[in-house]
Amino acid sequence: NAGVTQTPKFQVLKTGQSMTLQCAQDMNHEYMSWYRQDPGMGLRLIHYSVGAGITDQGEVPNGYNVSRSTTEDFPLRLLSAAPSQTSVYFCASSSSVSETQYFGPGTRLLVL
Amino acid sequence: SQQGEEDPQALSIQEGENATMNCSYKTSINNLQWYRQNSGRGLVHLILIRSNEREKHSGRLRVTLDTSKKSSSLLITASRAADTASYFCATGLSGGSNYKLTFGKGTLLTVNP
Repeated sequence: NAGVTQTPKFQVLKTGQSMTLQCAQDMNHEYMSWYRQDPGMGLRLIHYSVGAGITDQGEVPNGYNVSRSTTEDFPLRLLSAAPSQTSVYFCASSSSVSETQYFGPGTRLLVL
Repeated sequence: SQQGEEDPQALSIQEGENATMNCSYKTSINNLQWYRQNSGRGLVHLILIRSNEREKHSGRLRVTLDTSKKSSSLLITASRAADTASYFCATGLSGGSNYKLTFGKGTLLTVNP
């Protein structure tokens, strides 16, 4: 199993550009989440999904959209990138029978 | 706002010594987890302790939980250079679900050879 995969590993955007961060898991986990990690701030939850077709907002959802059309994929969309969205983004998944979250390797995003 | 707060923010020790990191939280929890993050990598789950447990062991790891003080500690015994990483506590809130964890800011552990 590949676990949780994320693409791209690194991306540079200009202010106002849009892009999609990809996340996929092959463990048949029901739950998937997106976090951002900033220096000195730990991880903060952006959006999460409890199953295909169901998403909800986390702690810092503004400027981001998500969708969950399949169990495996949970893309994160930046509609109009801002420098404040410069961060490292982590996708995670977990099953309904375990509290353990499995993390992807992260996407480092720089918005100029 | 952050639920968990680790202490210290940074810790530097010699190989073979024990490392202790602490985590405090604010509200009632269902479970508390510790994760490790190597530089530039994703987080890896280490150990979970439930609110009705007081101590748990896994290899060289020992976790304690004091719900009356809303605090937890992670002890790594006989540390190795490979233990150098950031360590995060994460809390699952009472009445919450498996998918919503709140992370602290982390402790950066450096183990010197």
